[in-house]
Amino acid sequence: GESVGLHLPTLSVQEGDNSIINCAYSNSASDYFIWYKQESGKGPQFIIDIRSNMDKRQGQRVTVLLNKTVKHLSLQIAATQPGDSAVYFCANSGYSTLTFGKGTMLLVSP
Amino acid sequence: DGGITQSPKYLFRKEGQNVTLSCEQNLNHDAMYWYRQDPGQGLRLIYYSQIVNDFQKGDIAEGYSVSREKKESFPLTVTSAQKNPTAFYLCASSSPSGGVTLAQHFGDGTRLSIL
Repeated sequence: GESVGLHLPTLSVQEGDNSIINCAYSNSASDYFIWYKQESGKGPQFIIDIRSNMDKRQGQRVTVLLNKTVKHLSLQIAATQPGDSAVYFCANSGYSTLTFGKGTMLLVSP
Repeated sequence: DGGITQSPKYLFRKEGQNVTLSCEQNLNHDAMYWYRQDPGQGLRLIYYSQIVNDFQKGDIAEGYSVSREKKESFPLTVTSAQKNPTAFYLCASSSPSGGVTLAQHFGDGTRLSIL
């Protein structure tokens, strides 16, 4: 089937490495940020979120960092596994909707 | 299990034909959304609805129509006026809090192609 990952920035890592995926946003009024994971042929899945009153939040094997000064968001995945291979999107809130980044494809080699 | 169901998974449209994509949620969410996804691009908002019997245009509403007669359902019609309908269509829902959009939950999409 047609890949959603064509022409996306790609990060290739070895299994067991730590991965860092970055995202820039433009709306300085955004106060809520989300990371999604999308596997081929499926809808995006929620990974982790963070509000603008925080600069770091940790989940299971994932950490999100928020730098509001430079409007930058990052997702860190510890001990990356082949099952982590997917396209990762950031999103930031508006009043009624979310604005999505174009995504980064993560490829994990065994 | 609670979730969002989109159907069909694959859909083909002939010239001049309208087609309707189904989206049903049992999450009791107030807001529902339709996005279009093209290769190498982010999600683009087509329409959204924050409450039954009300909906708003998103960034690329031309050639599409929606209805929201029930809280659980938000069907999208791709009309013959949409000249480039081939894409992956995603439906989502959420429960906004204090007017702020929180995390949206997605279905597994419908892939629409032209015959």
